[in-house]
Amino acid sequence: DIQMTQSPSTLSASVGDRVTITCRASQSISSWLAWYQQKPGKAPKLLIYKASTLETGVPSRFSGSGSGTEFTLTISSLQPDDFATYYCQQYDSYWTFGQGTKVEIK
Amino acid sequence: EVQLVESGGGLVQPGGSLRLSCAASGFAVSGTYMIWVRQAPGMGLEWVSVFYNEGDTYYADSVKGRFTISRDNSKNTLYLQMNSLRAEDTAMYYCAIDRYSGSLNYFDYWGQGTLVTVSS
Repeated sequence: DIQMTQSPSTLSASVGDRVTITCRASQSISSWLAWYQQKPGKAPKLLIYKASTLETGVPSRFSGSGSGTEFTLTISSLQPDDFATYYCQQYDSYWTFGQGTKVEIK
Repeated sequence: EVQLVESGGGLVQPGGSLRLSCAASGFAVSGTYMIWVRQAPGMGLEWVSVFYNEGDTYYADSVKGRFTISRDNSKNTLYLQMNSLRAEDTAMYYCAIDRYSGSLNYFDYWGQGTLVTVSS
């Protein structure tokens, strides 16, 4: 099974900050990686797929990069609506999610 | 507009059974791969079961032999029959689809979830 590890688990940031979340796969997954945002009591929302393709309607301040085993999600200028938990998910072999990164207000 | 609406969750004793439903609208379940994903309280996401168009089904090791996924095309609904429930099955259960990639890769539509609590 492919394991996905995110870091950090929690990130404290202020509005306007540049934020980067890392996701590492236990083996190469090429670019078969998605990122989601989840707010309390809500279902996850797809942000990015194929490592760097922005889902329709997602603000351009979100971007993804990486391939193989290391990936990043970057929020270029954190907005109040962005405080949430973020998950990566591989779809190279079945589907595995990272444990999540909570972005909280500093 | 695509919508997924889960129902059927509730409180059940260990060893008991529940059947979850995921009613779809805005698309035909007969032409769509669908997945159940669960999230234990305060925890991350875990895939549970998948229904492919051809009728192929897959299960996570944690539920294999206890859960059964099925589909009723006439009702445009996906189901998850859960038997021999354990405390560790306590979670919010979501159904989700991959609308556009032609397979089941990433999930662009999710239901609101239905909560299953297994406790005596």
